Amino acid sequence: NAGVMQNPRHLVRRRGQEARLRCSPMKGHSHVYWYRQLPEEGLKFMVYLQKENIIDESGMPKERFSAEFPKEGPSILRIQQVVRGDSAAYFCASSPRTGSLSGANVLTFGAGSRLTVL
Amino acid sequence: TQLLEQSPQFLSIQEGENLTVYCNSSSVFSSLQWYRQEPGEGPVLLVTVVTGGEVKKLKRLTFQFGDARKDSSLHITAAQPGDTGLYLCAGNAGNNRKLIWGLGTSLAVNP
Repeated sequence: NAGVMQNPRHLVRRRGQEARLRCSPMKGHSHVYWYRQLPEEGLKFMVYLQKENIIDESGMPKERFSAEFPKEGPSILRIQQVVRGDSAAYFCASSPRTGSLSGANVLTFGAGSRLTVL
Repeated sequence: TQLLEQSPQFLSIQEGENLTVYCNSSSVFSSLQWYRQEPGEGPVLLVTVVTGGEVKKLKRLTFQFGDARKDSSLHITAAQPGDTGLYLCAGNAGNNRKLIWGLGTSLAVNP
């Protein structure tokens, strides 16, 4: 009965390298969300995906960032040619296909992946 | 643009004190959620409020949804060090599954 699993928990990259962050949603959940958080700040929405589809990527930078949620396997957030400003905690959350009994879209979060760019 | 403003941004109190934090908007939300995030972890859902005027209690935490469904408050009675964390509110606007998030209230309860 595992929750949302994110790995790696900590990732160190040098400028110009690629970072790949993985997220396995909670069992039975078909919607995945990626958020970015800087220290002492709230969550910044990046992208919302269903299996094989990007639903909303309005919070994703146009360059260097991409996300996928394949039919099989975890969702991947990929950051190419990382820069120091990409250092942050990246959280994945999942929700079921339908809302809760109240109709609210309730998210279950993973523990996050902390990216440090040297 | 829908926004959720949380206040205060930071709060540091002594163990045993009471406190209230707020989540306000000029927009109407079909539901509103409160999450608590501890250092190094992801946010964890505390409560969802749906009906205007609704009050929900979770041990020493009392959540209220405004009558007009534009604002919410969280009151903690006799705060304990274990209540320390970042309290985030998030609103659901109708059929849109994308939540609108506040920036959070960072609470520190000192022993």
